[in-house]
Order: sequence, then structure tokens, then C-alpha cells
Amino acid sequence: DQQVKQNSPSLSVQEGRISILNCDYTNSMFDYFLWYKKYPAEGPTFLISISSIKDKNEDGRFTVFLNKSAKHLSLHIVPSQPGDSAVYFCAARGKETSGSRLTFGEGTQLTVNP
Amino acid sequence: GAVVSQHPSRVICKSGTSVKIECRSLDFQATTMFWYRQFPKQSLMLMATSNEGSKATYEQGVEKDKFLINHASLTLSTLTVTSAHPEDSSFYICSALLISGNTIYFGEGSWLTVV
Repeated sequence: DQQVKQNSPSLSVQEGRISILNCDYTNSMFDYFLWYKKYPAEGPTFLISISSIKDKNEDGRFTVFLNKSAKHLSLHIVPSQPGDSAVYFCAARGKETSGSRLTFGEGTQLTVNP
Repeated sequence: GAVVSQHPSRVICKSGTSVKIECRSLDFQATTMFWYRQFPKQSLMLMATSNEGSKATYEQGVEKDKFLINHASLTLSTLTVTSAHPEDSSFYICSALLISGNTIYFGEGSWLTVV
């Protein structure tokens, strides 16, 4: 049962344009969402997060949008840079006290072409 | 900022032997750490949740006797893969929960190859 899904395994974007990475979830108990970037053979790096009480959070070139009714979130990167090329994971955390365990999507490989 | 360190970054061991991977939070105390495994081209799969001073909570399908987790201090959790087999070869990643409760930082990961 894949509770967090990233339906696009890959995305290719031209440098300077916008990258939009999508993520859908099924569990309505999720209340906190995070995006991580991961380079090969490295651990994930935290990018940005959003609480379920918000619908948008912005940090520099990164903006995360949350549509709770659609159970959908997206990460916008603008302008995209070649160094942004990596696998992006969305993750969700439930309303629980068991230590904030995260459920990850499958990841989307973003390639930003110069 | 918060830093989580894993050691070793790469390890090769013989089938049937045991190997230990360490996860340390360098700038903060972590009452909760998580261990993940990632096979090639797959997502991060949570193996277990490690709480300082208590037994780890394992995810369904993860053998607790094979993957021993010890969280003896607020800055260190260890994962020991016992009687390793080639199918245990994977990328193991730990993460630590920041005390504020909202952000989890990851270690650099450890490549395990069992030959």
C-alpha cells in the first residue's frame, strides 16, 4: 500500500525554467510534509517542509504547495539550475507520537540541462 | 546546522559475518533515530525506529534478530547486520529527529556489500 506516490520517475527541464515535482498521498492522517533531495550514494538532504495548516511555503528558489482536498503537494524550483539535478523524495508524517516516522514516495529524478 | 554522521560509508564483508554501522548526531541530541534501507532505483524503506534507552520498533517484514539496533546514548545509534547474506547488500541510511520534532536530518548513508 503506497501511501505516498510520486508518479513521475523522471523529469527533464531546461536551465532557468521552472521544475515542478508532484506528490500524492492517500492517508488523511498525514499532517506534515517534507521534500528531500538526494544525490547518488549520499543520504537525503532536507529541502523544505509544510504543515497541513498551510497551503504554501517558500524558501528561496523552492516553494511547496499543499492541496489538502486533493491530497496533493508539489515542489516548485525556479529558476532551475544544473546543480539541482538529483532525486527528489517527498515524505509525509502522520499525527502520531511514535517518533515522527516518515513515509517516502518513490522519488523523481530531476535533470536540469544547461 | 544539524549534522548526522554515519560510519563507515562503505563496507564489504563476507557472507555469514556481522557488520556494524554507526549513526551519530553531531550537533544535537536525538531521542529518536530511524534506519532506512534503499535498494537501487527504489525508495527509502523504513526498517526500524530507534528510541534512546528502549527497544527499537521494527517495521513489518524486518527481522529484529538479524538487524540489531542499539540506541545507547542520545547521540549514537548502531545497526548491526548479523550473519549477513548477499541479499543484504544495500544502501543503509540513518536519520535523527531534531528535538523540535518537525525536522529529520539524514546521515550520509552506508554502502554494504556482502560477498
